[in-house]
Formats: sequence, C-alpha cells, structure tokens
Amino acid sequence: QKEVEQNSGPLSVPEGAIASLNCTYSDRGSQSFFWYRQYSGKSPELIMFIYSNGDKEDGRFTAQLNKASQYVSLLIRDSQPSDSATYLCAVNLETDSWGKLQFGAGTQVVVTP
Amino acid sequence: DAGVIQSPRHEVTEMGQEVTLRCKPISGHNSLFWYRQTMMRGLELLIYFNNNVPIDDSGMPEDRFSAKMPNASFSTLKIQPSEPRDSAVYFCASRLDGQETQYFGPGTRLLVL
Repeated sequence: QKEVEQNSGPLSVPEGAIASLNCTYSDRGSQSFFWYRQYSGKSPELIMFIYSNGDKEDGRFTAQLNKASQYVSLLIRDSQPSDSATYLCAVNLETDSWGKLQFGAGTQVVVTP
Repeated sequence: DAGVIQSPRHEVTEMGQEVTLRCKPISGHNSLFWYRQTMMRGLELLIYFNNNVPIDDSGMPEDRFSAKMPNASFSTLKIQPSEPRDSAVYFCASRLDGQETQYFGPGTRLLVL
C-alpha cells in the first residue's frame, strides 16, 4: 500500500467551477500536509500546507484535513485555465523530523474554457 | 535570490557512461533533497542531507547511484554506470530548518540511450 494516494485524473473542470482534489495517507501520525502544483515540464511549486490542527484558506485555494478518515483535500474555487496542472499531495511522516516528504502520484486537472 | 540551481538542464548519454548532476541550494538553506520523477513511479525521494550530512539514502535505487555534499552550497548526484531505466527528471530541492517549504530546482532531464 502506498503511503500517499491520489486519483490520477484527469479531472476536468469547467472554468469558474470548483475543483475538488483528494489525497489519502496511511501514516496516522502525520503532522503536516502539502499541496504542490506542477505545470507540464516544470518543477513542483508549493501552493499551501496545513498542519494537523486545522484547515487553511489562501485566496482561491482551501486545504482541509479529515484526520479520522486520513485524507486531505484541496479546493480550487473559480477555476481558471491557468490552474490546469498536476497537483501533488505530500505528507510529512510522523517519524521524520528532517522535513522528509512522501509524495502522491498527482492528480491532473484540466480547466476547460 | 536565484533559487535552487541545477545543471545540466538536459543530459543525453549512452548506457554505461557516468552521469553527474549538480545542485546549488538556496543560500542559507540547511537541507537538500534529491528526487527522481518518472511517469511510472512519480516523484521519489532518493537521498537528503542536513548540514551537509547524508541523513537518509534509503531511496537510492542501487549502488550505481551516489550523492555527495562537500559544502553547504553544492551537491552532486552521480550515476555510474548509467542504464536506460535511469532516464527521468531529477530534481534537487532545498529547505531552511524550521520552515516547512521545500523549494525545487528546475530539474535535470536525463535520457540514457
């Protein structure tokens, strides 16, 4: 079983709609959760991260954690064509204090005009 | 700041040749991570350093791979001998202790023929 799992997609979203991405993790003690965006041919860039104690909203992006079910979600409101990318979920494992991240395979999002 | 710098950006080599990838982390960052990304396996952590010391190399696929960090501003990932299955994008990332964000370099696209 992979430690971090994501639906590979593609997730097709009409422009202006809400894109909802999910990520499940296996390490119950995970403390921090990250969403990276990766455009085709580019490197991952951090969108936002949350700790196990709360959700976060940043502009059009909201990250939410469901500890009981061990999944973290990313909502993208008012989706734009520029949001078309692969979104990588990453988790900081409880046993590691060095910042080591376990990445999911990513979900491809396609925003259609 | 210039961000994480990687060289070369592209490398094409023949099976059996030695390949050396280079990384310069963001100035002042304590931790450096080497990742490999392929379509099949996603983004995999190979090895990471903290204050120039290798902390965890459990992700290094085999003895053909080696990494060094002789000083705080330079790291190398070497593959000797290279094989076609090593073809991937290799990313270097750096992080400042106490902060959550890893900053990725632009990556090196390696093709082994």
